[in-house]
Amino acid sequence: GESVGLHLPTLSVQEGDNSIINCAYSNSASDYFIWYKQESGKGPQFIIDIRSNMDKRQGQRVTVLLNKTVKHLSLQIAATQPGDSAVYFCAERGNTGFQKLVFGTGTRLLVSP
Amino acid sequence: DTEVTQTPKHLVMGMTNKKSLKCEQHMGHRAMYWYKQKAKKPPELMFVYSYEKLSINESVPSRFSPECPNSSLLNLHLHALQPEDSALYLCASSPDRAAQETQYFGPGTRLLVL
Repeated sequence: GESVGLHLPTLSVQEGDNSIINCAYSNSASDYFIWYKQESGKGPQFIIDIRSNMDKRQGQRVTVLLNKTVKHLSLQIAATQPGDSAVYFCAERGNTGFQKLVFGTGTRLLVSP
Repeated sequence: DTEVTQTPKHLVMGMTNKKSLKCEQHMGHRAMYWYKQKAKKPPELMFVYSYEKLSINESVPSRFSPECPNSSLLNLHLHALQPEDSALYLCASSPDRAAQETQYFGPGTRLLVL
């Protein structure tokens, strides 16, 4: 069945470091991917998205990389700040309908000063 | 305005109570969603409304009853819930066009069923 998973449940970094959060997906038919950030007590916040016809997309301090060969997605955060501390979810749109996103299990990012 | 609002923020209810969760967006989005999120877990899709019609029901128990009165509002009516239904209930919206799937989430309603 479909599954979206993460390699590391918790990632601890120092302020100023670059962070890389990884996500593995199993549905090779997925054509759209999103990264969300969820802070404690809040709803998921959109960070960046990427379509399957791209392998890289950059935003402000964030970059998403997509490797369809190995079905791997990553989120890179440059110069990580304490405010980046949160749980990060990847989500994919599979082939079951364009409105349905499947979320990964989440990675907690802890940024220490 | 990229905001989805949800009320109430917190809700405590007994197993015999009837309550409703409300969601509102003014982004002109035509798809609205209800998700359930347990602690330390990802959001799980419950319902999708597209152009005010129910398009997806993820086999949710009938004690959860969604309603979309208009394109800006989405309700979730709760009746005879169980303690295991305690969770964060998230509303989201999206433009509802295949090329624009980004879903924007509200802050959620934290529900406790006693």
